[in-house]
Amino acid sequence: NAGVTQTPKFQVLKTGQSMTLQCAQDMNHNSMYWYRQDPGMGLRLIYYSASEGTTDKGEVPNGYNVSRLNKREFSLRLESAAPSQTSVYFCASNKGQDSPLHFGNGTRLTVT
Amino acid sequence: KNQVEQSPQSLIILEGKNCTLQCNYTVSPFSNLRWYKQDTGRGPVSLTIMTFSENTKSNGRYTATLDADTKQSSLHITASQLSDSASYICVVSATPGGSYIPTFGRGTSLIVHP
Repeated sequence: NAGVTQTPKFQVLKTGQSMTLQCAQDMNHNSMYWYRQDPGMGLRLIYYSASEGTTDKGEVPNGYNVSRLNKREFSLRLESAAPSQTSVYFCASNKGQDSPLHFGNGTRLTVT
Repeated sequence: KNQVEQSPQSLIILEGKNCTLQCNYTVSPFSNLRWYKQDTGRGPVSLTIMTFSENTKSNGRYTATLDADTKQSSLHITASQLSDSASYICVVSATPGGSYIPTFGRGTSLIVHP
């Protein structure tokens, strides 16, 4: 039972490089989310997808794009990485409203 | 603006002792409140959910309380173990316009020493 799987686990980028963070869930959940976690800031929502085919901005969307590829997969893209995007990124999913969030184990991204 | 405040920011206790973590919120309209446990290097995991009509709920050594009038919740850990060392995050959900975007607190970091 894999749950929510994120790849890669670690990544180092230079300023201006691009990359895509991958997320897949095997729980048949409708909704998927991308968060970033910074020291002292807690988890902040970047983008979410309430259902397949829809995406919406969260609290901190600038510098990111997302794709809900199908019901299982939700990717996060950094087009031109900046040092301010150094963070731990978590993907999460749930059945929908009032259901618990299930998180992956994060991607630790450093932008130099 | 919806907000969730947690206290204390960090806490150190000895193994076997009890502790209580606090969560105050201004989320409206209130739908539910969850406590999550986040071990170092892992994603958060849901411990318990509190809805408007519930005052107390237990999950093993974890007991959550909710006072909807004062908009406060607490998480009490009994007979702490080394494995309780983690960050505990309070998450409150509202339902504006039918969407589901929970508000996260910044967490309380708990360290249990032997």
